Amino acid sequence: EAQVTQNPRYLITVTGKKLTVTCSQNMNHEYMSWYRQDPGLGLRQIYYSMNVEVTDKGDVPEGYKVSRKEKRNFPLILESPSPNQTSLYFCASSSLLPEDNYGYTFGSGTRLTVV
Amino acid sequence: DAKTTQPPSMDCAEGRAANLPCNHSTISGNEYVYWYRQIHSQGPQYIIHGLKNNETNEMASLIITEDRKSSTLILPHATLRDTAVYYCIVGGTSYGKLTFGQGTILTVHP
Repeated sequence: EAQVTQNPRYLITVTGKKLTVTCSQNMNHEYMSWYRQDPGLGLRQIYYSMNVEVTDKGDVPEGYKVSRKEKRNFPLILESPSPNQTSLYFCASSSLLPEDNYGYTFGSGTRLTVV
Repeated sequence: DAKTTQPPSMDCAEGRAANLPCNHSTISGNEYVYWYRQIHSQGPQYIIHGLKNNETNEMASLIITEDRKSSTLILPHATLRDTAVYYCIVGGTSYGKLTFGQGTILTVHP
């Protein structure tokens, strides 16, 4: 089954403790992206990647890092989490080929709480 | 800023067609109209997209006006499982940044 897998689904952590949220897709998609969703603010893009070793900032990149060492994986790294990063996070992927223009496939989400 | 305007909420009776409108008066010539939906706090799900012509797939139909300034998503026979937030988005490609607005909360009732 074609899918984007995020882990963990739920995470409670303390301020300042580094964490990584993993994202993996099995569709050989070139494009991957991270979004966060907050009440009243909707979904906002954090980072995106057009291909291996190619990443760029989205609208709200502060406090986050990403890496794209392999095509299928796009982890989101919070070096020093703070309470304002408490949010629902989604990873998404998409093909760059026009003939595969089926939009994004999103993961199931990671609900992060930073105390 | 979101480039689309949608009603905040709509109701629909189960089994009837749900018609969700979207205004995108500033859409440019090469921008597509995409529709996604989000059920509870699950990941958004792609529904359909179009450029100029009307489109239909197994989930829905998309009607785009001739001037492309508005569109309507049609769920032909709504079910309770179609209750969700529906997002209308304009963008240049399938992989461009998606700017999600507030969407339309569709409630399908028995």
